[in-house]
Amino acid sequence: QKEVEQDPGPLSVPEGAIVSLNCTYSNSAFQYFMWYRQYSRKGPELLMYTYSSGNKEDGRFTAQVDKSSKYISLFIRDSQPSDSATYLCAMIKAAGNKLTFGGGTRVLVKP
Amino acid sequence: EPEVTQTPSHQVTQMGQEVILRCVPISNHLYFYWYRQILGQKVEFLVSFYNNEISEKSEIFDDQFSVERPDGSNFTLKIRSTKLEDSAMYFCAIRGLDQGNQPQHFGDGTRLSIL
Repeated sequence: QKEVEQDPGPLSVPEGAIVSLNCTYSNSAFQYFMWYRQYSRKGPELLMYTYSSGNKEDGRFTAQVDKSSKYISLFIRDSQPSDSATYLCAMIKAAGNKLTFGGGTRVLVKP
Repeated sequence: EPEVTQTPSHQVTQMGQEVILRCVPISNHLYFYWYRQILGQKVEFLVSFYNNEISEKSEIFDDQFSVERPDGSNFTLKIRSTKLEDSAMYFCAIRGLDQGNQPQHFGDGTRLSIL
C-alpha cells in the first residue's frame, strides 16, 4: 500500500464549479498536512497548511482533515480557469524533516 | 514569487559529468531541503540540511550526491558522475525560522537533462 494516494485525474470542471480533491494515507504518524498547487514547469506553491482534524478556510479554499479515516480534502469554490494546475497533497510527521507527497491531481477549469 | 531562487533553470549535461545546482533564499533560513521530481512521477525527498549538517537523507541520496552551503547563503546540490536516470526537476525548499513544524516553501526548480 502506498503511503499517500491521490487520484491523478484529470478532473475537468466548468468555471464557477466547486473542485473537490482528496488524498488518503496509511501512516498514522503523519500529523501535518499541506496542499500545494503546481503549474507546468514551476515549483509547488503552498496553498493550505493544517494540523488538526476539521476544516480550515482561506478565501476560496477549504482544507479538511479527518485523521481517524486518514483522509484529507481540498475544496476550491468558484473555480477559475487560472485554477487549472496540478494539486499536490503532502504530509509530514511530527518533528519530521521530509514531506511525503501524493502523485498530484491535474485539474482543468474550462471557461 | 518563490522565497528561493534556483539556478540554472535548465541544465543539460553529458552522462558522467558533474553538475552543481544552486539555491539562494530571499532571507536567512536555517532549514534547507532538496527534492526531485522525475517526469510524470511524485515529488521525492532527497535530503534535509540544518545548521550546516545533513539532518536526514533518503535512500536516493547516495554517494554521488552531496550538499553544502559554501558561503553561508547559497545552498548547493552536487551530483558527481551523472546518470541518465538523474534526469528530473530538482527543487530546493526552505522552512521558516519559527519554532514548530512550519511548512516548506519551494523554488521553481532546475530541470536537469542528462544526455
